[in-house]
Amino acid sequence: DIQMTQSPSSLSASVGDRVTITCRASQGISSLLAWYQQKPEKAPKSLIYAASSLQSGVPSRFSGSGSGTEFTLTISCLQPEDFATYYCQQYNSFPYTFGQGTKLQIK
Amino acid sequence: EVQLVESGGGLVKPGGSLRVSCAASGFTFINAWMSWVRQAPGKGLEWVGRVKSKTDGGTTDYAAPVKGRFTISRDDSKNTLYLQLSSLETEDTAVYYCVTYSNSWYWGQGTLVTVSS
Repeated sequence: DIQMTQSPSSLSASVGDRVTITCRASQGISSLLAWYQQKPEKAPKSLIYAASSLQSGVPSRFSGSGSGTEFTLTISCLQPEDFATYYCQQYNSFPYTFGQGTKLQIK
Repeated sequence: EVQLVESGGGLVKPGGSLRVSCAASGFTFINAWMSWVRQAPGKGLEWVGRVKSKTDGGTTDYAAPVKGRFTISRDDSKNTLYLQLSSLETEDTAVYYCVTYSNSWYWGQGTLVTVSS
């Protein structure tokens, strides 16, 4: 199975900050990577697919980049509603696997 | 608009069985590969399994922890996906999500399965 490693596991930031979350795959996955946002007691919300394509309706302050084994999710100007847990997921080969999550908290 | 609505979760005893369902709309279900993902309380996300479209063979794939105990099926006439859970263990307690890819990933709201005596 492909292992997905996110860093950091948690992050404290302020409204207006720029933050970056990294996801590394244990082997190459081309650009078959998605990013999700999850708030407590809610289903994951799709933000990015194909490493850098923005899901319809997602604010443009979210962006994704990378290919192969290293990927990043950047939030350019944090808003209060962005404090949540973020997950990456590879869908290059089954079983599709997720990173362990990054909890973004208010500083 | 893609919609996925899960139902059928509940409380079941260890060793028991349960079937959960996912009603799909807003996309061409018959052509879609459908998956189940679960999330144990306070934990991360885990892919359970998937079923391909019938035109792609209709085959199923399962994650190791559930292989031989869980069965995914689909009824294309009803636009519905199923997950039959058998030989349930307390570690199977989780919210089960129905997921599909239609130019991007879409998730249902989930249904909670609790395995407890």
